[in-house]
Amino acid sequence: GNSVTQMEGPVTLSEEAFLTINCTYTATGYPSLFWYVQYPGEGLQLLLKATKADDKGSNKGFEATYRKETTSFHLEKGSVQVSDSAVYFCALRSSSNNNDMRFGAGTRLTVKP
Amino acid sequence: NAGVTQTPKFQVLKTGQSMTLQCAQDMNHEYMSWYRQDPGMGLRLIHYSVGAGITDQGEVPNGYNVSRSTTEDFPLRLLSAAPSQTSVYFCASSPGLAGELFFGEGSRLTVL
Repeated sequence: GNSVTQMEGPVTLSEEAFLTINCTYTATGYPSLFWYVQYPGEGLQLLLKATKADDKGSNKGFEATYRKETTSFHLEKGSVQVSDSAVYFCALRSSSNNNDMRFGAGTRLTVKP
Repeated sequence: NAGVTQTPKFQVLKTGQSMTLQCAQDMNHEYMSWYRQDPGMGLRLIHYSVGAGITDQGEVPNGYNVSRSTTEDFPLRLLSAAPSQTSVYFCASSPGLAGELFFGEGSRLTVL
């Protein structure tokens, strides 16, 4: 079945550092790919998405490119802020899997001043 | 701007008790689902519904029941709570079978 693998955390960075969180997936067909963010005590919020190969999703300085050849959707940000501290989830959704959304285990990011 | 509303936000149960987690959405979404979130395991799908009167099982359905009598509501029932059901539960919806899910704020359940 479809699955998502994320780099394990936790990740701790200093403010203004460069962020990469790796995400790879296994899926049949042509899934849509997502990054969600969860702040403490809250639900998941969509951060960005891409629906086809080579699409780049972007939002709030975060970017991720849908790479079908490497089955990857890595999240990047050039300069993180303390307010980016949260848990980040990579996810995919595909009609080949009953349109269920499958999530990675999550990566906790802490940004220190 | 209600979106997806879950109640209660916190609940403590004793082993063997039953309860219902409520979920309502006001966006006229056809697809609704329940997930549980456990440390290091991400979110796992419990049950989902593609429209009123239609439900199906996800990855981890055992011990849970759902029904979908209206488009708006999708309650999750625990028939006989077990400590293994201690978790944070999220309800989510989407307008169709593709695209992003919209999440509620979660319900934290502790089973003693």
